[in-house]
Amino acid sequence: DLVMTQSPDSLAVSLGERATIYCKSSQSLLFSSNNKNYLAWYQQKPGQPPKLLIYWASTRESGVPDRFTGSGSGTDFTLTISSLQAEDVAVYYCQHYFTAPYTFGQGTKLEIK
Amino acid sequence: QVQLQESGPGLVKPSETLSLTCTVSGGSISGFYWSWIWQPPGKGLEWIGYIYYNGNTNYNPSLKSRVTMSVDTSNSQFSLRLTSVTPADTAVYYCVRLSGSGQGYFDYWGQGILVAVSS
Repeated sequence: DLVMTQSPDSLAVSLGERATIYCKSSQSLLFSSNNKNYLAWYQQKPGQPPKLLIYWASTRESGVPDRFTGSGSGTDFTLTISSLQAEDVAVYYCQHYFTAPYTFGQGTKLEIK
Repeated sequence: QVQLQESGPGLVKPSETLSLTCTVSGGSISGFYWSWIWQPPGKGLEWIGYIYYNGNTNYNPSLKSRVTMSVDTSNSQFSLRLTSVTPADTAVYYCVRLSGSGQGYFDYWGQGILVAVSS
């Protein structure tokens, strides 16, 4: 199976500062025929289901604030929160959908410093 | 707005079969892929498998021998059966929809149901 590895496991950032989460896949997620990366990002707050933030590595889901940005290609991806808000405290997961079985990263816990 | 709601027993005995149902409302079950994802307490997410509205399935090889999914389009429901459960199957189970474009990211999630496996 394709393995997704996130770093760091946890992260503390001050309000208003930038938060960056990394995701690395064991194989390229770039499909050459359409030049798309099959990578999504989710946010999970305590006691809630995950919420889709980003798909195709960089396309923001409708309603997601523009402070959330996805980037990267191939095997290395990044989720950046440009100016951390209190409501962004959550666990963030990356997920590939290049081919089944779909797998998730282990998660990155984001807290306020 | 599409809504998904899981239902089923919250407690299952070891070696028995776990059965869950997801009811879809606010949108059609037809034309879409539907999945189950589980999350053991305090841990990460694992994809169990998906079922297309026409009944075609794709299961995670790690669980394939124990998993069966089915769909009932007339009642806008799809279901999960997991046989021979052990305490390691204790988890929150989410029913989810694969994206409207049919790609394997998940755009709508149920609230999740906690199922404990214990005698």
